[in-house]
Amino acid sequence: ETGVTQSPTHLIKTRGQQVTLRCSSQSGHNTVSWYQQALGQGPQFIFQYYREEENGRGNFPPRFSGLQFPNYSSELNVNALELDDSALYLCASSFYWSYEQYFGPGTRLTVT
Amino acid sequence: TQLLEQSPQFLSIQEGENLTVYCNSSSVFSSLQWYRQEPGEGPVLLVTVVTGGEVKKLKRLTFQFGDARKDSSLHITAAQPGDTGLYLCAGVPGNTGKLIFGQGTTLQVKP
Repeated sequence: ETGVTQSPTHLIKTRGQQVTLRCSSQSGHNTVSWYQQALGQGPQFIFQYYREEENGRGNFPPRFSGLQFPNYSSELNVNALELDDSALYLCASSFYWSYEQYFGPGTRLTVT
Repeated sequence: TQLLEQSPQFLSIQEGENLTVYCNSSSVFSSLQWYRQEPGEGPVLLVTVVTGGEVKKLKRLTFQFGDARKDSSLHITAAQPGDTGLYLCAGVPGNTGKLIFGQGTTLQVKP
């Protein structure tokens, strides 16, 4: 059984730039969720994808967008990066009927 | 406003001590989950509690769901340095369909 993988591991971007983060879900899972986690805090829900459509969204602006592909992998895109976007971005996969999340190791994004 | 309040936020203890972490809310949850996260890694699911009053044990860890399904606790017996990490509770309040996390409890167990 393959776990959740994310790429890249670390990323440094400049304010105003755009970034794309990638995630491969655990085999057998059909739902992908993205979270933002500040240092020492709990993850904050960004959005969830099921059947290639957004299936719920947290309190994040439209410049945070995503995609899910037929193989259930996913991308998180952030436009017009701001300094406050610096955080660990976590991807988690699950079965649609379950809220139990299986997380990847995360992508550490630094915006300067 | 934090829908899930965890306490304490930070705990530093000696190996062998017992501890309890609390997760409280004014909302009712259909279930609550507990995760542990180590530095540089994603959270790992420890347990899901579903029924009010339910108690689950995982080796030295005991999880309890409150009778009203608004709170939960995690008790660790004879803590070991390997228990060090960020402990997170999470749940879906009401019919929101959105999983929310508490702010976490950072546990440090010194040898």
